[in-house]
Amino acid sequence: GQQLNQSPQSMFIQEGEDVSMNCTSSSIFNTWLWYKQDPGEGPVLLIALYKAGELTSNGRLTAQFGITRKDSFLNISASIPSDVGIYFCAGPLTGANSKLTFGKGITLSVRP
Amino acid sequence: ETGVTQSPTHLIKTRGQQVTLRCSSQSGHNTVSWYQQALGQGPQFIFQYYREEENGRGNFPPRFSGLQFPNYSSELNVNALELDDSALYLCASSRGTASGNTIYFGEGSWLTVV
Repeated sequence: GQQLNQSPQSMFIQEGEDVSMNCTSSSIFNTWLWYKQDPGEGPVLLIALYKAGELTSNGRLTAQFGITRKDSFLNISASIPSDVGIYFCAGPLTGANSKLTFGKGITLSVRP
Repeated sequence: ETGVTQSPTHLIKTRGQQVTLRCSSQSGHNTVSWYQQALGQGPQFIFQYYREEENGRGNFPPRFSGLQFPNYSSELNVNALELDDSALYLCASSRGTASGNTIYFGEGSWLTVV
C-alpha cells in the first residue's frame, strides 16, 4: 500500500523559532493533507493541498505540494507553546477519495 | 468542536470479548470512516461507510465489522478481542467520498484490552 514517511519522530524547538517538517512517499499523491493532534483528541485538519506546486498558508502555517507529487512540506513560523502536538501528513489511499493513509507523525515540543 | 461525537470515550475489555463503538457524524455528512491509532503511530484506515453501505476496507480481519444507520451515525464492532486491538479508535465524517471534501475527526474511543 501507499506509505507516507515522516522523520524525525520528534522535534524540539525554542519558542519563536521557525520549524519545517516534510513528508515523502514512493508513490504519487494527488492530495496532501496536514493534520495536528493534541493529546486526548482527534486529528484536526490544518492545510489541504490539491495541486502539484501549490503553496497554501493558514496563519503562521505554510504548506507546499511538491512538484514530483511525492512530497510535501509544512512550515510553522514564530512558534508558540500551543504549537505543541503531533503533526501528521496524510493522503488518499487510492485515487481522489476520502479514505486516508497517514504518516507516523512528528511530535513537536516548544521550549518557552 | 468538529461536530463528530464518539462514545464511549474510554473502555476496558477482556481478551475474547466483543466491543461496540459509536459515532455520530457531523450534520449533513453521509460518509463515515473508522481508523485505528495504536500508540506512537498514525491512524490506520479500517473501513468507510457511504449511505449505509460499506465503501472500502483496509487491511483488517473480518472480526472488525461496522454499520451505518439511516441518520448516518455508525457503529464499529470488534469480536474476539485481542491484546493488539488496544488503541484509539477514531471516527471521521465528510460530505461525500471525494478527497476534496473536508474530513472531520471525532475525539476517539480509547480501548484497552487486558
